[in-house]
Amino acid sequence: EVQLVESGGGLVQPGGSLRLSCTASGFTFSSYAMSWVRQAPGKGLEWVSGISGGGGATYYADSVRGRFTISRDNSKTTLYLQMSSLRAEDTAVYYCAKDIPRFDYWGQGTLVTVSS
Amino acid sequence: QSVLTQPPSVSGAPGQRVTISCTGSSSNIGARYDVYWYQHLPGTAPKLLIYVNTNRPSGVPDRFSGSKSGTSASLVITGLQAEDEADYYCQSYDSSLSEWVFGGGTKLTVL
Repeated sequence: EVQLVESGGGLVQPGGSLRLSCTASGFTFSSYAMSWVRQAPGKGLEWVSGISGGGGATYYADSVRGRFTISRDNSKTTLYLQMSSLRAEDTAVYYCAKDIPRFDYWGQGTLVTVSS
Repeated sequence: QSVLTQPPSVSGAPGQRVTISCTGSSSNIGARYDVYWYQHLPGTAPKLLIYVNTNRPSGVPDRFSGSKSGTSASLVITGLQAEDEADYYCQSYDSSLSEWVFGGGTKLTVL
């Protein structure tokens, strides 16, 4: 059974940093690209970033490019999202999702709140 | 504002059929990029309903079907059930943005 479990969310001040993790199980992690998708309060889904199975290729939405860094540790079957220079508009539930462009499995999400 | 346009809401009575549209442009759906559909209940993980325009993952009832034509795509749900009440999102790739993009979402209410 595929499982994706996000962690690392919380309250952070504007301009601060936070690192999200997504621990995967139930599939060959290194064989699949992974993504982060977020949902701001009362808003729809927004793709944030993606990474190839080997980690050699990374992709970012324009809204986060230069501030967020996606990475993965295939030995730990874990996906990361390092977020810096956080803004109020980054407040959202962040989901990790398996595969690109077909997001066939999703985690339950972790809430990031950017506020002073 | 999403580059893929969906109606904010649709509704139908149990047993009825509803259609959710997803309108794009020549840089996404019209450029022959595939369309995907997701069902999302608040507080839960989104669920893939349709992949590559018309295909259902195993376990998704055949009451859900997808189609694509030109710069638009549609999700059709037949035999509406109370458990279908959720938010539905289309998704594709946009070559102008170089990003994977979602529609704004459609809230389905089962009357």
